[in-house]
Amino acid sequence: DIQMTQSPSSVSASVGDRVTITCRASQNIGAWVAWYQQEPGKAPKLLIYAASNLQSGVPSRFSGLRSGTDFTLTITSLQPEDFATYYCQRTNSYPLTFGGGTKVEI
Amino acid sequence: QVQLQESGPGLVKPSETLSLTCTVSGDSITNYYWTWIRQPPGKGLEWIGYIYYSGSTKYNPSLQSRVTISVDTSKNQFSLNLKSVTAADTAVYYCARDNSFGMIDHWGQGTLVTVSS
Repeated sequence: DIQMTQSPSSVSASVGDRVTITCRASQNIGAWVAWYQQEPGKAPKLLIYAASNLQSGVPSRFSGLRSGTDFTLTITSLQPEDFATYYCQRTNSYPLTFGGGTKVEI
Repeated sequence: QVQLQESGPGLVKPSETLSLTCTVSGDSITNYYWTWIRQPPGKGLEWIGYIYYSGSTKYNPSLQSRVTISVDTSKNQFSLNLKSVTAADTAVYYCARDNSFGMIDHWGQGTLVTVSS
């Protein structure tokens, strides 16, 4: 099975900071990665698909990048509502699998 | 606006069958793949499986022997059955829409199912 290794598991940041989260796939999966944001007690929300495409309605401070089997989610100028847990997910084949999550906290 | 709503018991006894239903509004269930995902308390996300309106299914191999997903197109609903549950099946269960490219673009609010006697 293709594994998605996400890091860090948590990051402390302040409003206005730039935060970068990384996922590494154990094999080549092309650009088939999505990113989700999950606020406490809520369902995840799709942010990015196909590695770098912003889902409709998502603020432009979120961006995604692919370099080989490494995928990054960057949040520029962190806002109070961005303190949440973020998950990567490979979308290239089933069963779909998610990274372990990154909690962005103050 | 697409909306999904899970319904079903919040408490299931060990060895029994967990049954949940998802009602879809704002979209026809004949479009896309319809999916179940779960999240144990304080842990990450696990994909359970999907169903297409034709009845075609795909399941996570880790759960395949215990899981059945079915669809009722007349009610715009799909359902999850997970048999022989244990405490390890305690989780928030989400129904969701897979846009056919593995991207989960609409989610229900989730329902906590606790397995306990």
